Amino acid sequence: GQNIDQPTEMTATEGAIVQINCTYQTSGFNGLFWYQQHAGEAPTFLSYNVLDGLEEKGRFSSFLSRSKGYSYLLLKELQMKDSASYLCAVRGTAGGSYIPTFGRGTSLIVHP
Amino acid sequence: DAGVTQSPTHLIKTRGQQVTLRCSPKSGHDTVSWYQQALGQGPQFIFQYYEEEERQRGNFPDRFSGHQFPNYSSELNVNALLLGDSALYLCASSRDTSGGYQETQYFGPGTRLLVL
Repeated sequence: GQNIDQPTEMTATEGAIVQINCTYQTSGFNGLFWYQQHAGEAPTFLSYNVLDGLEEKGRFSSFLSRSKGYSYLLLKELQMKDSASYLCAVRGTAGGSYIPTFGRGTSLIVHP
Repeated sequence: DAGVTQSPTHLIKTRGQQVTLRCSPKSGHDTVSWYQQALGQGPQFIFQYYEEEERQRGNFPDRFSGHQFPNYSSELNVNALLLGDSALYLCASSRDTSGGYQETQYFGPGTRLLVL
């Protein structure tokens, strides 16, 4: 099976940098996703990592270490609109399944 | 290019009733997955449809069933509703490349179901 762990809640100040961590255990590994979800809305795709290293996309970056079962999402120059839940999802390969398993999400609160 | 669409947006039912939720995938996508998201939780996988058949299923009872149509749209049916079925139901579409491998999933806006 798969087990994904991420902090429940984080707070940060507008303009600052925040790092949201995700650790996972999986049978086989076929990629890690980060999604952003505002309250009452659908998750929107942020990033995908399948190889070790950092993927940068504007103010958001995502890092992966497969040997450590670890990823983080880095948000720079925080804005109030970044207040949302951030979901880490891991795609394993057990039984030929390519369905991502989602963590519970990290609720990020950005304050002035 | 329309993204994933779902209907209805909100629904209120009573225990024991049946409900049907609908999803149209993003243009170019052929695979539809359904998720249940309870408040404060991550999405939980219900099942996935590809080529009009259920390809994978999560840990949900048989009360949850689905269908995929030739145009790739899909329905989720839930029978004998329980209070615990109250949740946000998300549809996600993706494109199958080969051997069951799919590209990134994109989610619809969801249907919020309240069971009284």
